[in-house]
Amino acid sequence: KQEVTQIPAALSVPEGENLVLNCSFTDSAIYNLQWFRQDPGKGLTSLLLIQSSQREQTSGRLNASLDKSSGRSTLYIAASQPGDSATYLCAVSVSSASKIIFGSGTRLSIRP
Amino acid sequence: GAVVSQHPSRVICKSGTSVKIECRSLDFQATTMFWYRQFPKQSLMLMATSNEGSKATYEQGVEKDKFLINHASLTLSTLTVTSAHPEDSSFYICSAFGLAGFQETQYFGPGTRLLVL
Repeated sequence: KQEVTQIPAALSVPEGENLVLNCSFTDSAIYNLQWFRQDPGKGLTSLLLIQSSQREQTSGRLNASLDKSSGRSTLYIAASQPGDSATYLCAVSVSSASKIIFGSGTRLSIRP
Repeated sequence: GAVVSQHPSRVICKSGTSVKIECRSLDFQATTMFWYRQFPKQSLMLMATSNEGSKATYEQGVEKDKFLINHASLTLSTLTVTSAHPEDSSFYICSAFGLAGFQETQYFGPGTRLLVL
């Protein structure tokens, strides 16, 4: 059974710092991995999607890496801003049309 | 990009009533839709998988007679919470799997917040 774990559960850093959020999954047979952002009381915003054959994806100040063999992914946020404050969810799927399994999220707070 | 809508965005109802939530894919056809539930400060948990024209597949622990799912067309799935109780209060999010542009993946709706009094 696939399980997704995110560490840390919460993180507070001053503005401007670079930071790394971690995600691990128990079964390396994944189809893809996604990082989402969720603001309080809101839905999901897809940030980055990494296919199983890829090692990383970049979008602006965000970079996500994937190491399937070790069951790990990281989300790197450069030059953090207060607007980055949100909960970040890591999620994996095992096939193109299968359910997505979510981690418990990391609640990020960027202090001005 | 692909858009998935949900209606209503929030609903408050009395205990014992039924509530219907709609999930629509607006610019693509979705052969499969998923319904997730998120309790406060927790992550999303899959409730059921809905395939167009067939019965939904429910996850373990989800009562199929309480959470009725209908996927009557390639752009619409509905979730009906029957005889809702306060413990059903939650954030319900749907996703639709399909091809939008060049990417075939799941697209998430904005969610429906249900409060049962």
